[in-house]
Amino acid sequence: ETGVTQTPRHLVMGMTNKKSLKCEQHLGHNAMYWYKQSAKKPLELMFVYSLEERVENNSVPSRFSPECPNSSHLFLHLHTLQPEDSALYLCASSQELTQGNEQETQYFGPGTRLLVL
Amino acid sequence: QKEVEQNSGPLSVPEGAIASLNCTYSDRVSQSFFWYRQYSGKSPELIMSIYSNGDKEDGRFTAQLNKASQYVSLLIRDSQPSDSATYLCAVTGTYKYIFGTGTRLKVLA
Repeated sequence: ETGVTQTPRHLVMGMTNKKSLKCEQHLGHNAMYWYKQSAKKPLELMFVYSLEERVENNSVPSRFSPECPNSSHLFLHLHTLQPEDSALYLCASSQELTQGNEQETQYFGPGTRLLVL
Repeated sequence: QKEVEQNSGPLSVPEGAIASLNCTYSDRVSQSFFWYRQYSGKSPELIMSIYSNGDKEDGRFTAQLNKASQYVSLLIRDSQPSDSATYLCAVTGTYKYIFGTGTRLKVLA
């Protein structure tokens, strides 16, 4: 257990559905991240939050909408997804953003396996 | 050129041997380097981090960093079947990690 939890662990949704992924970290970290992991591709950073402020949005389609109500919780709201959005969605947290030291070590949650039909 | 490059493998080594995993990166200003292990269907877990040139040892694992050559490696001594996994190299960029595609390691019993 890394101290980062994600729910649900598995999700099947149709293209017209709306669902949300939840991430919670119990580590007292200030930065949180959403990643997408597809087969045969590197982990793709989607969003970065630091102290509840979004600091990075990597040209992610608007059908993915993040929300960070406080430094312990991060959501990813999903709507009108496409089959190619099927992937493992990983949440991570770190004490701080990139500083070149141990405080930026990222710890990952178990992920949500998403299938879009 | 990919920002972080790893040989996808699989790299097969016999049990008890040394496994050597390599990673090159393109951004010279990267300061921090990480190795994660990912079992099939699971999330990445941190194995080693390294920030300075040279070697860093932790149990059976040794990370090696050469910033001049933009190269970082992970050595696993006395490889065990339980080490069979995909090993991800990550390098810091602005506000983020940049991951390689990972090297799949198979330790043969």
